[in-house]
Amino acid sequence: DGGITQSPKYLFRKEGQNVTLSCEQNLNHDAMYWYRQDPGQGLRLIYYSQIVNDFQKGDIAEGYSVSREKKESFPLTVTSAQKNPTAFYLCASSMSGLAKYEQYFGPGTRLTVT
Amino acid sequence: QQQVKQSPQSLIVQKGGISIINCAYENTAFDYFPWYQQFPGKGPALLIAIRPDVSEKKEGRFTISFNKSAKQFSLHIMDSQPGDSATYFCAARTGTASKLTFGTGTRLQVTL
Repeated sequence: DGGITQSPKYLFRKEGQNVTLSCEQNLNHDAMYWYRQDPGQGLRLIYYSQIVNDFQKGDIAEGYSVSREKKESFPLTVTSAQKNPTAFYLCASSMSGLAKYEQYFGPGTRLTVT
Repeated sequence: QQQVKQSPQSLIVQKGGISIINCAYENTAFDYFPWYQQFPGKGPALLIAIRPDVSEKKEGRFTISFNKSAKQFSLHIMDSQPGDSATYFCAARTGTASKLTFGTGTRLQVTL
């Protein structure tokens, strides 16, 4: 099966702990993205990467970090500096280039921090 | 700063009726406008998309109408079905990185 996998589906952490969310794709896509979804706010871009070993901040990068060591993997770390980490996190990927538009989304990880 | 404004926030339509969701944008650099459908607990899935050089695109029961001068676009769902009940997001793309800016979403409920 081709697609994007995110694990785990649900994640619970105590405040002050860092947590890493996994995102893996076997679509051979160059670009990968992390979004955060909160009720009534749509999806907001955290980080994106167009190529291995390179990534850029999105609109709400503060308190998050990423790495892109392999084409198929783009893990997101939610650090203790993120003030409101409880949210639904979505990973996406797409082919790169102007003619390649569609972003494919994974099933998401719901993070709860107490 | 919200660059894509979506309305209504929620919508209830009877089975067989027409569902209409509207979006407006400000950034004239946007060059691609997709609509995503999301079911509870799932990731969004692309439903239909349009480029700004086209005024309308139809795929089955789903139609996008695009008004470039007004900087507005809308999704029409004809013959709405209970299975269409989901949250719909409009989005706009800019740049070679395919960055998408999303609207805030519309929760559609289709009643029997």
